[in-house]
Amino acid sequence: DGGITQSPKYLFRKEGQNVTLSCEQNLNHDAMYWYRQDPGQGLRLIYYSQIVNDFQKGDIAEGYSVSREKKESFPLTVTSAQKNPTAFYLCASARLYIQSNYGYTFGSGTRLTVV
Amino acid sequence: AQKITQTQPGMFVQEKEAVTLDCTYDTSDPSYGLFWYKQPSSGEMIFLIYQGSYDQQNATEGRYSLNFQKARKSANLVISASQLGDSAMYFCAMREGQNTGNQFYFGTGTSLTVIP
Repeated sequence: DGGITQSPKYLFRKEGQNVTLSCEQNLNHDAMYWYRQDPGQGLRLIYYSQIVNDFQKGDIAEGYSVSREKKESFPLTVTSAQKNPTAFYLCASARLYIQSNYGYTFGSGTRLTVV
Repeated sequence: AQKITQTQPGMFVQEKEAVTLDCTYDTSDPSYGLFWYKQPSSGEMIFLIYQGSYDQQNATEGRYSLNFQKARKSANLVISASQLGDSAMYFCAMREGQNTGNQFYFGTGTSLTVIP
């Protein structure tokens, strides 16, 4: 079955460490996105990519980095520069320029906790 | 200014009753889409319903309907005959423009609790 796989489901990080969250899709979707979810703040866009080897910053990109070397993969690295990384991270994907009622497909999320 | 505003942090509804979750939006783009997602405690995001800016009729999907009032820029979700399994967070979202790859803007969500 096609879908988006995020791993790990839970991740613990020590302060000062970089960690990488995995997001893989087999839907042949062109665009991929990373959102951060905090209680009471909804989902905020970190980075997105609509084509391989190209990506754009979202609203809260500081302290994060991404790569898009393959269409299927869009890993997110949370660097030590991110001051408050504890949050729920959601990856999503979408096809470009198809029928307008087509929305995102989401992964199941990664819960990152700084210890 | 916020693109999507959800003013109800929490709502309660009796089982089998209907409930309306509010959503207002702000955009100057004449072409946009409005979406509602459900997020259970497991964290997955489940697509519920879509309304396009040029759609003449309100969208319906089973027990979900979208009360679209374009002049007021509101897109309220109505859930009829609430079930215990409807207890979850609900997010309203908007995508501007024609490109289905454009980013979504999300509201802060409404936590719905269905009471037996």
